[in-house]
Amino acid sequence: DSGVTQTPKHLITATGQRVTLRCSPRSGDLSVYWYQQSLDQGLQFLIQYYNGEERAKGNILERFSAQQFPDLHSELNLSSLELGDSALYFCASSAGGDRVYFGPGTRLTVL
Amino acid sequence: GESVGLHLPTLSVQEGDNSIINCAYSNSASDYFIWYKQESGKGPQFIIDIRSNMDKRQGQRVTVLLNKTVKHLSLQIAATQPGDSAVYFCAEKERDDKIIFGKGTRLHILP
Repeated sequence: DSGVTQTPKHLITATGQRVTLRCSPRSGDLSVYWYQQSLDQGLQFLIQYYNGEERAKGNILERFSAQQFPDLHSELNLSSLELGDSALYFCASSAGGDRVYFGPGTRLTVL
Repeated sequence: GESVGLHLPTLSVQEGDNSIINCAYSNSASDYFIWYKQESGKGPQFIIDIRSNMDKRQGQRVTVLLNKTVKHLSLQIAATQPGDSAVYFCAEKERDDKIIFGKGTRLHILP
């Protein structure tokens, strides 16, 4: 158990819908990262927050957005969902140093 | 663009033998590298890391080697066990704190 929690574990929705994925980082970790992993693919970096501020951005679609709240939890919002958005979404956290720990992921299925 | 890549997508190793998983990186400015293990349906699990000012680091049954001259990273697993079956990712941390992953190598353990 890495200490990073993600909810929900599974999410099934329809095209065109909007969903919110939630992440609670490890206690004391200020950095939160979001990654997308499609079937048999590597992990694609989406976005990173540090203490509430956006720190780095990857190839995140405009339909996707994220934020980190004062209590340091983070949410990833996915809108106008398409079939191709079906994937595992991972959150990770770090204390601001180097080691980054991943949560168990949210499996999103878009029908 | 800069990327981290893996030489082989699949590696089959006899139980008890040593495994060597290789990785090439292209961003010479990266100064921190990590190996993750991902079991089916789970989030990536931190294995071992190494900074660019080192060329070798050992953990429990694992060793990471870094060759900055040829931008090559390897993970050695001693006395491979069935529980080592997983996909292994190398990753590099860029100066803006983005962690970029390679595509992964699937390790199969033969009985």
